[in-house]
Amino acid sequence: SQQGEEDPQALSIQEGENATMNCSYKTSINNLQWYRQNSGRGLVHLILIRSNEREKHSGRLRVTLDTSKKSSSLLITASRAADTASYFCATRDIDKLIFGTGTRLQVFP
Amino acid sequence: EAQVTQNPRYLITVTGKKLTVTCSQNMNHEYMSWYRQDPGLGLRQIYYSMNVEVTDKGDVPEGYKVSRKEKRNFPLILESPSPNQTSLYFCASSRTSAYTEQYFGPGTRLTVT
Repeated sequence: SQQGEEDPQALSIQEGENATMNCSYKTSINNLQWYRQNSGRGLVHLILIRSNEREKHSGRLRVTLDTSKKSSSLLITASRAADTASYFCATRDIDKLIFGTGTRLQVFP
Repeated sequence: EAQVTQNPRYLITVTGKKLTVTCSQNMNHEYMSWYRQDPGLGLRQIYYSMNVEVTDKGDVPEGYKVSRKEKRNFPLILESPSPNQTSLYFCASSRTSAYTEQYFGPGTRLTVT
């Protein structure tokens, strides 16, 4: 079952620009998590936002959550070449964690 | 250092030859799980474990087995591997459940010929 769907599938930007990725999900959630994956490596947790939160910040990351629209967005401000990676949202389905197919972000120097 | 380790990192094998991919975590986490990652399909959960001796199927359990005899270890067993199990596999753990932050291992790239 596919709970989270990221949009766009791929995004290319220049260093210094902002990158916005969106995630839509299907069922009610307790929280939503965002992860980053550098090419072929393990995923790294970025941020968790609870269902009663609307916005959360962590450094250059800003996550919003709209439970009425069943959607979340991840904004990376002032992007750097090192931000080049795939980004996934994940939501919980009972005891399982369901990941979307991800957004591939390419940041050009 | 808190980490999840997997072995081997790369494996090429032949159809039908039983193999085990080990996973170990040193964070005393209760929840552990296995995922496979395939192009265009994202990460799909194979099996998960809420605690010792408690395991359950994820979305794609067919052809896989797991066991959780100790809290730190969660091996993935392919009794009779087939080419459609060629994939990138990740083990992950978290403190309590799928609610909380998952820590991922570095991945095991498996090729079945």
